[in-house]
Amino acid sequence: QLQLQESGPGLVKPSETLSLTCTVSGGSISISSYYWAWIRQPPGKGLESVGNIYYTGSTSYNPSLRSRVTISVDTSKNQFSLKLTSVTAADTAVYYCARLVRAMGGKGLDYWGQGTLVTVSS
Amino acid sequence: DIQMTQSPSSLSASVGDRVTITCRASQSISSYLNWYQQKPGKAPKLLIYGASSLQSGVPSRFSGSGSRTDFTLTISSLRPEDFATYYCQQSYSVPRITFGQGTRLEIK
Repeated sequence: QLQLQESGPGLVKPSETLSLTCTVSGGSISISSYYWAWIRQPPGKGLESVGNIYYTGSTSYNPSLRSRVTISVDTSKNQFSLKLTSVTAADTAVYYCARLVRAMGGKGLDYWGQGTLVTVSS
Repeated sequence: DIQMTQSPSSLSASVGDRVTITCRASQSISSYLNWYQQKPGKAPKLLIYGASSLQSGVPSRFSGSGSRTDFTLTISSLRPEDFATYYCQQSYSVPRITFGQGTRLEIK
């Protein structure tokens, strides 16, 4: 059974960089059928796509975050990571990693991590 | 990006009721629409993909329909465990995915 697990600091200071890693177990990240995605959810609000990555390193980012986001992949560790720079309180959210089916009209996000709350505060 | 708009934003209903949630896309997305259920403190769970296909293990009281720009999620007879927030998401422009704003289903 595929499992995804987010890890990283739960508290980040304003203007600093948020860094999270998602470890994938029970399956390989180097499969052609999937992207690997970051989704976030501010407290009490809806879901927002941050961006995603293919195992080759090709990325797609939310236009509203593109200037601050970098997603990378380490296939040797079966992990992918998120960096978000110059954070503010508006970046406070639960951050989920998830598997995105790589097909137009595919199943969407079929496996999710449990999520990790990141709070931006001094 | 393709904008997804759900209605209503919140809904009160009783156990046993039939409930319908609507999702509208800002452009045609064929049938490339997925629905998720999220309970408090939990990750979203995929319910329906391709507008009308039930994900494995999802009860048959859930159903989806629609195409192009207008879609619906129907729960035929509400059970207590169905009270949650529901999101639609388009897979037309993968990897550029977008979500609806969510519909909170509450107990009346």
